[in-house]
Amino acid sequence: DTAVSQTPKYLVTQMGNDKSIKCEQNLGHDTMYWYKQDSKKFLKIMFSYNNKELIINETVPNRFSPKSPDKAHLNLHINSLELGDSAVYFCASSPRLAGDTGELFFGEGSRLTVL
Amino acid sequence: LAKTTQPISMDSYEGQEVNITCSHNNIATNDYITWYQQFPSQGPRFIIQGYKTKVTNEVASLFIPADRKSSTLSLPRVSLSDTAVYYCLVGDTASMNTGFQKLVFGTGTRLLVSP
Repeated sequence: DTAVSQTPKYLVTQMGNDKSIKCEQNLGHDTMYWYKQDSKKFLKIMFSYNNKELIINETVPNRFSPKSPDKAHLNLHINSLELGDSAVYFCASSPRLAGDTGELFFGEGSRLTVL
Repeated sequence: LAKTTQPISMDSYEGQEVNITCSHNNIATNDYITWYQQFPSQGPRFIIQGYKTKVTNEVASLFIPADRKSSTLSLPRVSLSDTAVYYCLVGDTASMNTGFQKLVFGTGTRLLVSP
């Protein structure tokens, strides 16, 4: 019954590897997001998709490639992982692009550790 | 982007009312004020949003003075389970172009509720 679910929850990998994080929402929302929370706890938008279309790309390196096969899924693939990529990645969704209430629904996060 | 300033941490006891104030001196005319709560190892959860005066829901109240340069989140009779980080954000969540995609969560206020 989880509204926004992400897998895996934990991911430990070596520098240079390629990894993916998957996200699914069963809320029927049109818009999905990826956020990154660093060690200082700043939570910053990375990407936003609306109905499978990329609408926001916040100066994220090309090594990060989101993919949205349908509006219920937004996956994040990361190539050539670097130490600085270590963070918690949160997927979120909202009813539509703007959202009348400003409410984002977040997943539980995927903690990525790059060694 | 309107920048927000919140206390880094606050302590309280069960049953007390907690007021967390956020400063946003550069808030724009179209910006809304939104508060989120985040527990460890979880994604942020929407608490409340307001534009002016007072907003109340089943969880909290939000007080916004006339100049809107600050806002206060009020949690009535806190319990141990209210121990979390509380984020104040401002942005034009009604914007069809950017919505709240560009909102940045700051470091928030760590609230510790003790018995």
